[in-house]
Amino acid sequence: AQSVTQLDSQVPVFEEAPVELRCNYSSSVSVYLFWYVQYPNQGLQLLLKYLSGSTLVESINGFEAEFNKSQTSFHLRKPSVHISDTAEYFCAVRRGNDYKLSFGAGTTVTVRA
Amino acid sequence: DAGVIQSPRHEVTEMGQEVTLRCKPISGHNSLFWYRQTMMRGLELLIYFNNNVPIDDSGMPEDRFSAKMPNASFSTLKIQPSEPRDSAVYFCASSPQGHTEAFFGQGTRLTVV
Repeated sequence: AQSVTQLDSQVPVFEEAPVELRCNYSSSVSVYLFWYVQYPNQGLQLLLKYLSGSTLVESINGFEAEFNKSQTSFHLRKPSVHISDTAEYFCAVRRGNDYKLSFGAGTTVTVRA
Repeated sequence: DAGVIQSPRHEVTEMGQEVTLRCKPISGHNSLFWYRQTMMRGLELLIYFNNNVPIDDSGMPEDRFSAKMPNASFSTLKIQPSEPRDSAVYFCASSPQGHTEAFFGQGTRLTVV
């Protein structure tokens, strides 16, 4: 079985400040890891993913996440946020031989000027 | 490609009525998922189809819920009879063979009064 824990449900942050969203997972087998973003009244969009190789993955809009196998974590970071980053962020895990995506409860990021 | 298309975007219905949600997956994708999103339970996988065949429906809450995929380009999720506790956002997602992430539609916001 696998579960995904997002440790923060709400993260308020000022514009141009850094942000970190924490994600931990439990799995006894190799996994694929994802961060999805959901803007208000929208569907989920893939932000970035870790499949294999370099443990640091980046998105095109400045987010990055680092896979830490020993700590079973996949925290998401951005060094300087914009108002437009206000959204809900979901961490998701998929076992290597499984079709299911298991989602965390989500973290709502609110960026204020 | 237009992405995963869901209809309607919003549905308000009275308790006891039948509700049908529709989904058109991305062309060429052979996996299709129905998810339900609520504040209390987050994102839950309801059912998974592969090559139009239901593989896992263990997430379907009860017999009032049913899903079909008559062909590779169309799926429906039906609730009969609907109840207020079915109020949620229902997402359809699709994935191509061998890919790890799912591509989500915009969702259908269902309100049962």
